[in-house]
Amino acid sequence: NAGVMQNPRHLVRRRGQEARLRCSPMKGHSHVYWYRQLPEEGLKFMVYLQKENIIDESGMPKERFSAEFPKEGPSILRIQQVVRGDSAAYFCASSPRDSYNSPLHFGNGTRLTVT
Amino acid sequence: RKEVEQDPGPFNVPEGATVAFNCTYSNSASQSFFWYRQDCRKEPKLLMSVYSSGNEDGRFTAQLNRASQYISLLIRDSKLSDSATYLCVVPTSGTYKYIFGTGTRLKVLA
Repeated sequence: NAGVMQNPRHLVRRRGQEARLRCSPMKGHSHVYWYRQLPEEGLKFMVYLQKENIIDESGMPKERFSAEFPKEGPSILRIQQVVRGDSAAYFCASSPRDSYNSPLHFGNGTRLTVT
Repeated sequence: RKEVEQDPGPFNVPEGATVAFNCTYSNSASQSFFWYRQDCRKEPKLLMSVYSSGNEDGRFTAQLNRASQYISLLIRDSKLSDSATYLCVVPTSGTYKYIFGTGTRLKVLA
């Protein structure tokens, strides 16, 4: 039973380029969360999605960042025109449908480096 | 008061010691609680779930005190491999939101 799959593990982009981070939730999970972790800091909530719906994007920067979770395929976190401050680890987590008493299961993250 | 609060540490303990961390939460309606372990530059991994008064798994014991609104994590016979950051996570009852503490760093010394 595959866990949460994220790719790529490492992503290097030059300033101004676009970064696309992908996340496939665990089988049977339809809720996806994205978190960002800067070096030496805690996890910061970014966005919560269900299939074809963004439920809460209160943690997303207002510009350049977007997320989607289409009916088919993985969830995508997209960062346009990356800047050095976007360098961080981005973790995706999933949970079962309608079960807030269940723990989150995390993918192994994408480490974004902006040069 | 923060929704979920943890002492950041670090807690430096010798091998074999017993160490305990506390995590306080503000929402008295919270029903479930989780402890995660995060190693440097790795993803958080679920350590224990707590739904009632407590849970025990080998050297690890989690206790819930609803009256004082805190959960604790006790590690007995500490190993070098226990060195990590321990995250307390509290779902907000009735919603999808998971509130993360900032984590407590543990260093087990040889």
